[in-house]
Amino acid sequence: AQKITQTQPGMFVQEKEAVTLDCTYDTSDPSYGLFWYKQPSSGEMIFLIYQGSYDQQNATEGRYSLNFQKARKSANLVISASQLGDSAMYFCAMRSPGYALNFGKGTSLLVTP
Amino acid sequence: GAVVSQHPSWVICKSGTSVKIECRSLDFQATTMFWYRQFPKKSLMLMATSNEGSKATYEQGVEKDKFLINHASLTLSTLTVTSAHPEDSSFYICSARDSEGTGYNYGYTFGSGTRLTVV
Repeated sequence: AQKITQTQPGMFVQEKEAVTLDCTYDTSDPSYGLFWYKQPSSGEMIFLIYQGSYDQQNATEGRYSLNFQKARKSANLVISASQLGDSAMYFCAMRSPGYALNFGKGTSLLVTP
Repeated sequence: GAVVSQHPSWVICKSGTSVKIECRSLDFQATTMFWYRQFPKKSLMLMATSNEGSKATYEQGVEKDKFLINHASLTLSTLTVTSAHPEDSSFYICSARDSEGTGYNYGYTFGSGTRLTVV
């Protein structure tokens, strides 16, 4: 069975600083996909970044990068140059064999001026 | 990019009535639809998976007679909460996947969610 763990219920970061949101996972499947989503208070799920288990390089999308350490089964999200609009819930997710996404408990990020 | 239109955005209903939530894929064929439930400040919990033309597969603990899911076409899936009670109040969100799973956003497109309040 798959498991996604996010151990940081809440994080604070000052504007323009970088922040790392932790995610560890457990799966017996050799092929898997990892996702990060942002959920603002409006509730919509905003796709941020994807990492495939066979991808050789860490994924990057603008200010978002994924620190993928396969041996440690971790897929931490790094947000560089934080902005006030980055304040939201952030979820790490893994694609299941049935293709549904299984989500971690989430991390609430607050960016302060 | 791909869009899934979810309606209504919010609904208030009386206890004992039924509420239907629609998710419609506007520019792609949603072969599979996933329905999630989310309590305030909690994670998304998968309720069921539906494939077009087939019966939905429900997760353990989800009452299939209470949460009726229909996926009659490749562009429309509905979730009906029957005989709603206050404990059914929650945020419901759908996620559509195309057949290849390689489309926009790596194959997953979320609706905007429905906040259901049962009074």
